[in-house]
Amino acid sequence: DQQVKQNSPSLSVQEGRISILNCDYTNSMFDYFLWYKKYPAEGPTFLISISSIKDKNEDGRFTVFLNKSAKHLSLHIVPSQPGDSAVYFCAASAGSSNTGKLIFGQGTTLQVKP
Amino acid sequence: DAGVIQSPRHEVTEMGQEVTLRCKPISGHNSLFWYRQTMMRGLELLIYFNNNVPIDDSGMPEDRFSAKMPNASFSTLKIQPSEPRDSAVYFCASSLKSLSLEGTGANVLTFGAGSRLTVL
Repeated sequence: DQQVKQNSPSLSVQEGRISILNCDYTNSMFDYFLWYKKYPAEGPTFLISISSIKDKNEDGRFTVFLNKSAKHLSLHIVPSQPGDSAVYFCAASAGSSNTGKLIFGQGTTLQVKP
Repeated sequence: DAGVIQSPRHEVTEMGQEVTLRCKPISGHNSLFWYRQTMMRGLELLIYFNNNVPIDDSGMPEDRFSAKMPNASFSTLKIQPSEPRDSAVYFCASSLKSLSLEGTGANVLTFGAGSRLTVL
């Protein structure tokens, strides 16, 4: 049972445009969400996070939006750059359980074309 | 800080052979996680440890998989006997559980570079 789903395996955008990556979850106990970025032959690295008490968190070109009622979050990258080409993983945590465990989605491969 | 160190980076073996993957977490981190990456399921959590104690191994696929953490600086994931469907990239990650994000208990995991396993 996939509790965190990224239904788009891939996304291609032009440099300078907006990239929007989507993520859905099913477990209402999740209260913290993270995005990780992964380059080939490297491990995933933390990008940005959001608590369930917020609906938006921004860090430079990256903004994460959370819609709790829809159990949906999205990552916006504006403007997109060729160096952003990577696999993006959405992850969720039931932080109140204090286990530190993260549940990841399948990943979306973003390609930013020059 | 050298980060999370995994070995080997690549392993090619034949079906039925024993495979041992190794991980050295970041010094001072008290939680360690083993994940497996596949195209279909993304990053699957296999098992995680807090203070060297296994907390949740519900993600371990079968009895052929086992993991140990004999001390705070070393962990192994063993597959015996290996099968072709075990071919994947295995990641180890560590975190400092006490330093949670905004006090929620959610942690930022730091991942190693992964061990790519191919079972023929």
